[in-house]
Amino acid sequence: QSALTQPRSVSGSPGQSVTFSCTGSSSDVGNYNYVSWYQHHPGKAPKLMIYDVSERPSGVPDRFSGSKSGNTASLTISGLQAEDEADYYCCSYAGSYTLVFGGGTTLTVL
Amino acid sequence: EVQQVESGGGLVQPGGSLRLSCAASGFTFSTYWMHWVRQTPGKGLVWVSSINSDGRSTRYADSVKGRFTISRDNAKNTLYLQMNSLRAEDTAVYFCARGGSVVFQDWGQGTLVTVSS
Repeated sequence: QSALTQPRSVSGSPGQSVTFSCTGSSSDVGNYNYVSWYQHHPGKAPKLMIYDVSERPSGVPDRFSGSKSGNTASLTISGLQAEDEADYYCCSYAGSYTLVFGGGTTLTVL
Repeated sequence: EVQQVESGGGLVQPGGSLRLSCAASGFTFSTYWMHWVRQTPGKGLVWVSSINSDGRSTRYADSVKGRFTISRDNAKNTLYLQMNSLRAEDTAVYFCARGGSVVFQDWGQGTLVTVSS
C-alpha cells in the first residue's frame, strides 16, 4: 500500500488553469477507474471533487475536471479562484479491498 | 443536512486503547459504506478502514490490521473504530466518511487522537 505520488505544491493566478498530477502504478491507478480527488481546507472536512476518474458530484463547479492516462491521474481546475486555495488529495482503489491516497498537493492562488 | 460527528478522541498512552464513534444524520445510514481516514500532523490523508452497509464486510490498511476493529450500529446510526495496542504513529486526526465502496462522499470534521506517554 505505497502512497500515490503528488507534487507538494502548485500555484497559479486567478483565472488561470492548473493541473495536479497523481502517479501510481499498474496495481492501482493504472488498473482501476476508481480514482477520486478531495479538496481539504485545513481544519475543515475534506470535500469530494471528482470520483471514478472524471465524474463530478452535484454541486461541484464544472471548472473542476479529472482524467487518467496510464498510471497517472490528473485534476484540472480552470478559471482559478481565490477560494480554490487548499490541499488536494487523490485516492485510488489498489485491489485486495484497499484504498491508497497520494501525499497531497498544496494549491496557492497568487 | 448530511452530518457526521466524530467523538472519542483524546490522549492515550502507547499500548492503550480508545474507541472512536461517528454519529451520522441526514441520510439513510444503513444503505452506505462507511470509512475511517486519518491525517497525521502536518502530513496527508491515509485510509484506515471501511465497512459495508450491513456490517458484514470490513477492510483494513496493513498498518492497523489486527489492532483496529471497525463496526457499526445501524439502529443507532453510529460508526465505531476500536483501536487497541496504540502506537505513537497512530497519532492523527481521525475522520469518518460515508460513501460507496471506493469513494468518500461526505466527511466529518474529525477527532484528534494523541498517543504519548
